[in-house]
Amino acid sequence: KNEVEQSPQNLTAQEGEFITINCSYSVGISALHWLQQHPGGGIVSLFMLSSGKKKHGRLIATINIQEKHSSLHITASHPRDSAVYICAVPNYGGSQGNLIFGKGTKLSVKP
Amino acid sequence: DVKVTQSSRYLVKRTGEKVFLECVQDMDHENMFWYRQDPGLGLRLIYFSYDVKMKEKGDIPEGYSVSREKKERFSLILESASTNQTSMYLCASSLSQIQETQYFGPGTRLLVL
Repeated sequence: KNEVEQSPQNLTAQEGEFITINCSYSVGISALHWLQQHPGGGIVSLFMLSSGKKKHGRLIATINIQEKHSSLHITASHPRDSAVYICAVPNYGGSQGNLIFGKGTKLSVKP
Repeated sequence: DVKVTQSSRYLVKRTGEKVFLECVQDMDHENMFWYRQDPGLGLRLIYFSYDVKMKEKGDIPEGYSVSREKKERFSLILESASTNQTSMYLCASSLSQIQETQYFGPGTRLLVL
């Protein structure tokens, strides 16, 4: 079963700062997901990536398959980026056809 | 855009009551999922379904059952609610394969007294 570790658990930043959130996993995968959960509960998928880098606006996700590690970067952070960021990987060896989720990184961006 | 809706945002029930949580998706997705989310534990899979009338247990199925009579609707049932089932419940759907992006509903915050 894949194990997913995220760091840091909590992160406080000033508006405009560059943010990095890390995700490590134990079993080789073919794709990794980054999700965002705003206060109130709704979860949206940000990225699904299997290699290299993807960019969407101020968000950049990278993955190193050999090192079993992914990072989510936020450039020029803004208070509206305050949310919980969650990474997820396929749950090989566990419940078939599913994802296993990290515990999340709670980001708070202060104006 | 995919839309996943859940029947209630907030729900308060008594211990021993039977509770139904409904989830509907409008994009003809094959897979549907029920998770619960608790502080410090992250999202944990309760049940999932990959087709009508098909269901598979997730990591924490005890105390729950599910029903999928129609492709677009996936129901989670708490047969006899207990206080340790107080949680946030999230439904999700995906097109088909394991790598597919999951689309989440807004969640139901359930309090069992």
